[in-house]
Amino acid sequence: EDKVVQSPLSLVVHEGDTVTLNCSYEVTNFRSLLWYKQEKKAPTFLFMLTSSGIEKKSGRLSSILDKKELFSILNITATQTGDSAVYLCAETSGTYKYIFGTGTRLKVLA
Amino acid sequence: NAGVTQTPKFQVLKTGQSMTLQCAQDMNHEYMSWYRQDPGMGLRLIHYSVGAGITDQGEVPNGYNVSRSTTEDFPLRLLSAAPSQTSVYFCASSSGTGLDYYNSPLHFGNGTRLTVT
Repeated sequence: EDKVVQSPLSLVVHEGDTVTLNCSYEVTNFRSLLWYKQEKKAPTFLFMLTSSGIEKKSGRLSSILDKKELFSILNITATQTGDSAVYLCAETSGTYKYIFGTGTRLKVLA
Repeated sequence: NAGVTQTPKFQVLKTGQSMTLQCAQDMNHEYMSWYRQDPGMGLRLIHYSVGAGITDQGEVPNGYNVSRSTTEDFPLRLLSAAPSQTSVYFCASSSGTGLDYYNSPLHFGNGTRLTVT
């Protein structure tokens, strides 16, 4: 059965710090990996990764996929209090399902 | 552009009652799905649909029914509510189609918070 594991479960940092969030997966017939940010309501889409070694970047956030080692990381540089959220990763395979991990709760202190 | 709309936002049920959570999207997305989110459990897939007339089970389908008579709507029915179904429910859709569904991200509604007493 497909499985997604995120670490750490939670993280507290100070503004200006850099954080790295991890997502490992065990899937057959991997297709894509997605990152979402969830504040109080609906998860919002950040990145979709399908190819190994190609970094996706949006402002202070970036992400990369390693299909050989079956993991992805999400980096946030110069963190701000507005980055406080739960970060979710999800994988898709050949089964028409998006399977999510349990998330990493990030708190950024002023 | 409304995106994915879920109603109601909040609902309280008594054990044994039935109800339908509504989900509608105006993006002409073929793929729609329902998730529940519980503390420490992440988002768990209940049911999904790859197009009108086609539905399938996700990870936690027991106690829930779905149907997809139109592209726009994907209601989730609780047949006989139980306290274990207390959760936040999210509907999500994607523009992906067929075997290329994975090339498109999910777009989420704002959720329905359900309490079963």
